[in-house]
Amino acid sequence: EAQVTQNPRYLITVTGKKLTVTCSQNMNHEYMSWYRQDPGLGLRQIYYSMNVEVTDKGDVPEGYKVSRKEKRNFPLILESPSPNQTSLYFCASSFSGYGYGYTFGSGTRLTVV
Amino acid sequence: QKEVEQDPGPLSVPEGAIVSLNCTYSNSAFQYFMWYRQYSRKGPELLMYTYSSGNKEDGRFTAQVDKSSKYISLFIRDSQPSDSATYLCAMSATSGTYKYIFGTGTRLKVLA
Repeated sequence: EAQVTQNPRYLITVTGKKLTVTCSQNMNHEYMSWYRQDPGLGLRQIYYSMNVEVTDKGDVPEGYKVSRKEKRNFPLILESPSPNQTSLYFCASSFSGYGYGYTFGSGTRLTVV
Repeated sequence: QKEVEQDPGPLSVPEGAIVSLNCTYSNSAFQYFMWYRQYSRKGPELLMYTYSSGNKEDGRFTAQVDKSSKYISLFIRDSQPSDSATYLCAMSATSGTYKYIFGTGTRLKVLA
């Protein structure tokens, strides 16, 4: 089954404790992206990657890091999480950056206390 | 002003009604237009996408794009309770940036 797999689904952590949210896709998509979804603000792009070793900032990159060492994986790293990073996070992939539409993962609900 | 505006709803309709969901946008560079459906506690799923202006139909769903008015619509015919979800519009340009801009979503409730 074609899918984007995120882990974990739920995570509660403390301020400052480094964490990684993993994302993997099995569709051989070149383009991958991370979004956060907050009430009233919708989906906002954090980082995206056009291919292996090619990443760029989205609209809200502060406090996040990403890497793309393999085509299928695109982990999101929070080196020192803060409470304002409490949110619902989605990883997504696409055949192309333009117009093909995303396949989204099921989401990771992160709470930073 | 946001690049993409979408009424958050909720929009409540009786089963069988025709539903109209809309987004307006300000960036004339947008060429690709998409609609996603998001059920509670799930990721968005792509429903429709269109390029430039015009209509596209897929079963009970019709997407319309009016670039002159910077206005896009999603129509749902014979709406069902299973259509109850949040509907997100999204747009992207063809050059300059690999970015999708999403609307904040409209919550739809179809009452049995």
